[in-house]
Amino acid sequence: DAKTTQPNSMESNEEEPVHLPCNHSTISGTDYIHWYRQLPSQGPEYVIHGLTSNVNNRMASLAIAEDRKSSTLILHRATLRDAAVYYCIQHLSGTYKYIFGTGTRLKVLA
Amino acid sequence: DVKVTQSSRYLVKRTGEKVFLECVQDMDHENMFWYRQDPGLGLRLIYFSYDVKMKEKGDIPEGYSVSREKKERFSLILESASTNQTSMYLCASRVKWQGAPETQYFGPGTRLLVL
Repeated sequence: DAKTTQPNSMESNEEEPVHLPCNHSTISGTDYIHWYRQLPSQGPEYVIHGLTSNVNNRMASLAIAEDRKSSTLILHRATLRDAAVYYCIQHLSGTYKYIFGTGTRLKVLA
Repeated sequence: DVKVTQSSRYLVKRTGEKVFLECVQDMDHENMFWYRQDPGLGLRLIYFSYDVKMKEKGDIPEGYSVSREKKERFSLILESASTNQTSMYLCASRVKWQGAPETQYFGPGTRLLVL
């Protein structure tokens, strides 16, 4: 069965980079990796996605291992507003199935 | 601004009651999802709807049913609520799959307590 694994929690100081890891060792060649985050009292929101190459957008960067069995979400300068639960998700290619990890709760210290 | 709304933020029901959770999206999306979120388990898919009147079971459909009579509305029904259905319920929508990844847009969630 497909599975994604994340650490339960991480801490970062404000304005420092944060690297959030995820293992998805069962991923197949065409499954995309997505990251969403959930702020307190809100539903999850999209952060970034990728397939093989590293990806950047205004919110974050996604580094994908060459064998695709792991990835890292990078927040370049964490702010207090980045405190959230971050979910790593494997989207099974061509299906409606998204395999969510259990999430990493990020705490940002002022 | 895209929007997915859920009928209630908090709901308290009694064991055995029939419970309706409503979700409405204003983005003309074909696909809609119902998930439940539990501590330590992440999000698990209950049901998925391809389009109006079309549905697929997810990973944990037991004890639930769904209805999609209009494109913008997707309802989750607990036929006879039980205490193990106490959870956070999240609705999401996206455009239909066309070979490229599409963003899911989530509602704020309904926290259901079954007594």
